[in-house]
Amino acid sequence: KQEVTQIPAALSVPEGENLVLNCSFTDSAIYNLQWFRQDPGKGLTSLLLIQSSQREQTSGRLNASLDKSSGRSTLYIAASQPGDSATYLCAVEDNNAGNMLTFGGGTRLMVKP
Amino acid sequence: GAVVSQHPSWVICKSGTSVKIECRSLDFQATTMFWYRQFPKQSLMLMATSNEGSKATYEQGVEKDKFLINHASLTLSTLTVTSAHPEDSSFYICSARDRGYFYGYTFGSGTRLTVV
Repeated sequence: KQEVTQIPAALSVPEGENLVLNCSFTDSAIYNLQWFRQDPGKGLTSLLLIQSSQREQTSGRLNASLDKSSGRSTLYIAASQPGDSATYLCAVEDNNAGNMLTFGGGTRLMVKP
Repeated sequence: GAVVSQHPSWVICKSGTSVKIECRSLDFQATTMFWYRQFPKQSLMLMATSNEGSKATYEQGVEKDKFLINHASLTLSTLTVTSAHPEDSSFYICSARDRGYFYGYTFGSGTRLTVV
């Protein structure tokens, strides 16, 4: 059974810092990995999707990498802003799990002005 | 891009009553939709997979008679919480995907259910 772990569980940084969020998964037989953002009491907003054949994806100040063989992904946020404060979730879609997503526990990010 | 609309965004109901939550794919057809439950400060847990025109597939430990799922059309899935109790209070989110696995999943805005 796929297990997804995110480290750290919580992170507080001053504005302007570059930061890295980590995601690891136990079964490398995945279709893709997706990073989401969730604001309190809201749904999920997709940030980046990395296919299993890709190494990284970029969108603005966000860069996500994928090392499928080692079961790891990182989300890099450049020049963090208070508006980046949210919970970040990674999820993998398994080849063998009926296209369902398995989520990590999330990283709660607070960017202080 | 693909949009999933979920209603209501919040609902308060009395213990023993039933509540229906709707999930619609606005600009695409979804043969499969997923329903998740999220407790405070926890991640999402898959409850069931909703299949258009057939029975839903429930995850282990989810009571199918309590959480009724209907996927009557390619753009609408509903989750009905029957005989709700305070322990059913939670945040419920649906998701769907436009086209194949090359594209990611889109999530609804969620429904906060409070049973009093």
